[in-house]
Amino acid sequence: ETGVTQTPRHLVMGMTNKKSLKCEQHLGHNAMYWYKQSAKKPLELMFVYSLEERVENNSVPSRFSPECPNSSHLFLHLHTLQPEDSALYLCASSPRTAVNTEAFFGQGTRLTVV
Amino acid sequence: GQNIDQPTEMTATEGAIVQINCTYQTSGFNGLFWYQQHAGEAPTFLSYNVLDGLEEKGRFSSFLSRSKGYSYLLLKELQMKDSASYLCAVTGDSNYQLIWGAGTKLIIKP
Repeated sequence: ETGVTQTPRHLVMGMTNKKSLKCEQHLGHNAMYWYKQSAKKPLELMFVYSLEERVENNSVPSRFSPECPNSSHLFLHLHTLQPEDSALYLCASSPRTAVNTEAFFGQGTRLTVV
Repeated sequence: GQNIDQPTEMTATEGAIVQINCTYQTSGFNGLFWYQQHAGEAPTFLSYNVLDGLEEKGRFSSFLSRSKGYSYLLLKELQMKDSASYLCAVTGDSNYQLIWGAGTKLIIKP
């Protein structure tokens, strides 16, 4: 139990599908993040939210659309994905967005685009 | 540019000691993280070094040399459960973004 819960754990979707990834944190943190983790590659930061406001967007394709309705929940809406988008998508939270703050990660959603 | 290098994979024997190295080049530096990630699981925080030197935390120790752009994670009395990937991450010049290494997969053999 890491305090950050992601659903679903596994997702297979076609390139024309629309799906959403969900993340919930029970730690009272103010910052939430989406990361992409591909095999043998460094973690890629996709989005950063601070108190429900997006503060960082790392040139992520528009087929990925984040939503943060409150400081405990974060979504990643997926639409018209490509096979190269197959990866592990990790959600994380931290007390604040300062880069020297420990992050608490969820177990991730393993996404396969077919 | 900014980058981090760490070995892709290492193998060690149960009960032994292993050192996982991480070298970095960044513009701006505030500290260096080590995270552990078991297969299919969430990365979990191990250590954060800001100052030069060795910090010990049980069987795990982390060392930093800022002048050399170098860190290592030292694992003693290895156990089978230490089989995992170990991720090195450095604070660069961004307020929000860490620079991550690709991780070192550590395999422990009996």
